[in-house]
Parts: sequence; C-alpha cells; structure tokens
Amino acid sequence: NAGVMQNPRHLVRRRGQEARLRCSPMKGHSHVYWYRQLPEEGLKFMVYLQKENIIDESGMPKERFSAEFPKEGPSILRIQQVVRGDSAAYFCASSPGDRTEAFFGQGTRLTVV
Amino acid sequence: SQQGEEDPQALSIQEGENATMNCSYKTSINNLQWYRQNSGRGLVHLILIRSNEREKHSGRLRVTLDTSKKSSSLLITASRAADTASYFCATDALFQGAQKLVFGQGTRLTINP
Repeated sequence: NAGVMQNPRHLVRRRGQEARLRCSPMKGHSHVYWYRQLPEEGLKFMVYLQKENIIDESGMPKERFSAEFPKEGPSILRIQQVVRGDSAAYFCASSPGDRTEAFFGQGTRLTVV
Repeated sequence: SQQGEEDPQALSIQEGENATMNCSYKTSINNLQWYRQNSGRGLVHLILIRSNEREKHSGRLRVTLDTSKKSSSLLITASRAADTASYFCATDALFQGAQKLVFGQGTRLTINP
C-alpha cells in the first residue's frame, strides 16, 4: 500500500505563473488535507476535502488559491499568479475518516523566482 | 490562533538522555497526535492519544494527556542521534461537524553524540 504521493517534489515558478500541486491519497482514504509550512515554522491548515466536496477552506487565502478532489484522480492545489510570498513547502495528508490519524506526503517545495 | 503550542521551541540534549516536550491547547479535543519531521521531509505519525486516555506508550515514546490542564507531553527515553528532528503536536478542531488537525509550531530536538 503506497503512502501519500505528492508531485512534484520541487517546483520552481516565475512570478505570475500558475502552480499545480498534486496529491494522491492512500488507498481507501477519502479525506484529504492541505497544509503550508514556512521555514522553521509549523504547519498551517489550508483546506480539508472529501471526494468532490470542500469541507473546510478556512485556511485558504481568498484569492488565487483553489483546491479540488475530484471523483477520479488526485487532489489538486492550484495557485494562480504566484508571488514570492507563496514560496513554501506544501504538504498533503490523507485519512480514512475525520477522527483518525492522518498520513502525510513528502511535500512539494514551491519556489517562486 | 494556534490550537496547539509546543514547549520548549528548541531542545538540545546528549545522546542517551531523556527528552521531554510539552504541548498545550485551548479548546476541547477528541484526540491529540504527535508527529515527527526530519529536516526537509514529510511528517511521520508517532502516536494518537484519545481524550479518554491518560497515557500511551510506543517503544521509547511515552505520551501523557491531561485534559483538565489541556496539555500533553511526549517523552523520548534513551535518546539517539537519529531522534534529531522537529516534533509537533496536533489537535483536532471541529468545524461544521468535521474535524481537522491543527498543528503547533513544533519543538526542534537536537541529540548530540
């Protein structure tokens, strides 16, 4: 059973471009969470999704950021018109239910130049 | 504001000594989890302790939970150089009937050989 898979591991984008981060949850997991981590800091919650539904997006910036978890395929975190402040590590986690342990991917490190 | 706050922010000890990290939180929880993160890597789940449990063990790890004080501690006994990492506590926060994990800033543990 493969773990949570995130790709790419590293992503470099120029200011103004779009960044697409992908997350394939563990088999059988229908809950996906996205977190952002700045250097030397903890993880900041962004969004919680179940298949085809956004459950909680209270941590998502109101503009430029969007997330989806379609019926088929991975969850996607999309950042439009990236700025230097978007540079961070973005982690995805999945769980089989909402009161169980979450398993994390290795993260995508986004660098905006 | 952060639900979980770890203390201390940084801890440096000699190999073989015990390491204790603390976590305080603010609201009622169903469970509390501890994670480890090696530099530049994803998070690894260590232990989940439920609100009706007071203590849990896993190998060299011992976690306690005091819901009256809204605090938890993680004890690593007989520390090893490989234990060098950041350790995070995460509490579940209820939002519109769904749970999400909220992380603290972490304790950066350094084990000196």
